[in-house]
Amino acid sequence: EVQLVESGGGLVQPGGSLTLSCAASGFAFSNYWMHWVRRAPGKGLVWVSRIKGDGININYADSVRGRFTISRDNAKNTVYLQMTSLRAEDTAVYYCGRDLHIAAADYWGQGTLVTVSS
Amino acid sequence: QSVLTQPPSVSAAPGQTVTISCSGSSSNIANNYVSWYQHLPGTAPKLLIYDDNKRFSGIPDRFSGSKSGTSATLGITGIQTGDEADYYCGTWDTSLTVVVFGGGTKLTVL
Repeated sequence: EVQLVESGGGLVQPGGSLTLSCAASGFAFSNYWMHWVRRAPGKGLVWVSRIKGDGININYADSVRGRFTISRDNAKNTVYLQMTSLRAEDTAVYYCGRDLHIAAADYWGQGTLVTVSS
Repeated sequence: QSVLTQPPSVSAAPGQTVTISCSGSSSNIANNYVSWYQHLPGTAPKLLIYDDNKRFSGIPDRFSGSKSGTSATLGITGIQTGDEADYYCGTWDTSLTVVVFGGGTKLTVL
């Protein structure tokens, strides 16, 4: 059974940093692109970043490029999202997803809440 | 402002049919596969349609996807109260080299 479990969310001050983790199980992790998306309160779903199975090919949304870093550890079946210079507008539930085909992700975690506030 | 444009809301009574449009451009929808998601805040997004018109495993045939030029459409027939949720289209944008989503459409079941 495919499972994705996010962790690492919490309350952080503006300008602070946080690293999210997504632990995967039930599939050949290193063969799949992985995505991060987020949904802010009262807002829509927004794509954040993706990383190929080799960990080399990476893409970011303009809103996070230069502040967020996606990475993965295939030995631990885990994908990470390192977030720095956090802003109030980064407050959202962050979800990781397994890529099925290009922009389609077939399995998702339940999400982890990040709140950026002083 | 989202790269893909969806109507903010649609509504339908149980048993009726609804369509949700997703408008883009030649750099995204016209030349890349479109997917559709159902999402309720606080829950995991649910993939409904991928590759324009393929239903994901376990998705009932009440849900369908189509595409023509720079627009895509999600159709839902036999609306049920459990379909009340937010729906998003998504695709790759070749010019921006990012995944793009629509702003989302809230389906209300009357």
